[in-house]
Amino acid sequence: DAGVTQSPTHLIKTRGQQVTLRCSPKSGHDTVSWYQQALGQGPQFIFQYYEEEERQRGNFPDRFSGHQFPNYSSELNVNALLLGDSALYLCASSHRTGGPLFGPGTRLTVL
Amino acid sequence: AQRVTQPEKLLSVFKGAPVELKCNYSYSGSPELFWYVQYSRQRLQLLLRHISRESIKGFTADLNKGETSFHLKKPFAQEEDSAMYYCALWGVGSGNTPLVFGKGTRLSVIA
Repeated sequence: DAGVTQSPTHLIKTRGQQVTLRCSPKSGHDTVSWYQQALGQGPQFIFQYYEEEERQRGNFPDRFSGHQFPNYSSELNVNALLLGDSALYLCASSHRTGGPLFGPGTRLTVL
Repeated sequence: AQRVTQPEKLLSVFKGAPVELKCNYSYSGSPELFWYVQYSRQRLQLLLRHISRESIKGFTADLNKGETSFHLKKPFAQEEDSAMYYCALWGVGSGNTPLVFGKGTRLSVIA
């Protein structure tokens, strides 16, 4: 089991563009959460998906949206990119009784 | 509201010296507390979970509900311990609630 995987590893976009990040959870995990980690900060919760529905959402604008597929994989979409969206985006998967495991992250740079 | 505070942004210790990374939390219920570690250029890794009461890489952490603390300790620091350490809180009904992270402490172990 490769654990939690994310793609792509790095991404460079310009302001106003849209981006899609992808996450495959660890085998056996059914819950996927997304976090944004700005430079020098701890991860900030964006939203969480379970059974293909958004269950909880952090303090992020509607430009941030997501999706979970029947195989539990997930996408994070960000529209109308701003310079401040530059960050490391982390995906974490979990099951009811286990601690969340994190993927390697996608480094997004907005120019 | 859930909050995790790591008062030290940077902690420098000499090799062989004891280490204590502080973490205080605010939560009205019974939380689960975690320590995550992020080595240079690596993904965020689960180091300790308070309910497991394990010692990983010589690190231990005890949940003190009276002081709402979950400090991370190691009796003798090693150079390979140099990394970013994040304390995180998971609320009751853990399976489907997000992790709340502190801002992290960078541990630097000096040879």
